[in-house]
Amino acid sequence: NAGVTQTPKFQVLKTGQSMTLQCAQDMNHEYMSWYRQDPGMGLRLIHYSVGAGITDQGEVPNGYNVSRSTTEDFPLRLLSAAPSQTSVYFCASSRKGLGGETQYFGPGTRLLVL
Amino acid sequence: QQQVKQSPQSLIVQKGGIPIINCAYENTAFDYFPWYQQFPGKGPALLIAIRPDVSEKKEGRFTISFNKSAKQFSLHIMDSQPGDSATYFCAASYQGAQKLVFGQGTRLTINP
Repeated sequence: NAGVTQTPKFQVLKTGQSMTLQCAQDMNHEYMSWYRQDPGMGLRLIHYSVGAGITDQGEVPNGYNVSRSTTEDFPLRLLSAAPSQTSVYFCASSRKGLGGETQYFGPGTRLLVL
Repeated sequence: QQQVKQSPQSLIVQKGGIPIINCAYENTAFDYFPWYQQFPGKGPALLIAIRPDVSEKKEGRFTISFNKSAKQFSLHIMDSQPGDSATYFCAASYQGAQKLVFGQGTRLTINP
């Protein structure tokens, strides 16, 4: 199993550009989520999904869109990048449950917005 | 509004020492408290977790202590090794939910 994979590893964008961060998992997990990690702020939840066709907002959703057309993939879209979106982005997945399920994180995408 | 507060931000300990990282929470609806370990350039990985019905959980050299009345929990690393040098995050999730709320993180350095 590859686990959770993310592409690209690193990306530089100019303000106003759009891009999609890819996330895929091969563990047949229903629950997937996106976090951003900033110094001194831990990881903050952007969006999450409890299954194909179902998504919801997390703590910091503004400026990001998601969709979930398959169980395996959960892309994160930046519609118009801003310098405030410079961060490291992590995708995670877990079995669907009532809480307490181990979440498995990908290796991250480092994004720099100029 | 930081729902889970973690301290210290950074910690340096000599090999064999016992680093202690503390977290505090406000919301009594939290019922699952994991700790994640992150090495540079990698994603976080689950280290150990606890539910509020027990006061302590131990896995190898890692121990979580939980104080429900004080709404605090902490991670202790016994016989610390240079390989334990990493960033540690505490987290919490609500009853019946899988969304995690993370603390700010602690960068731990174990000197040889």
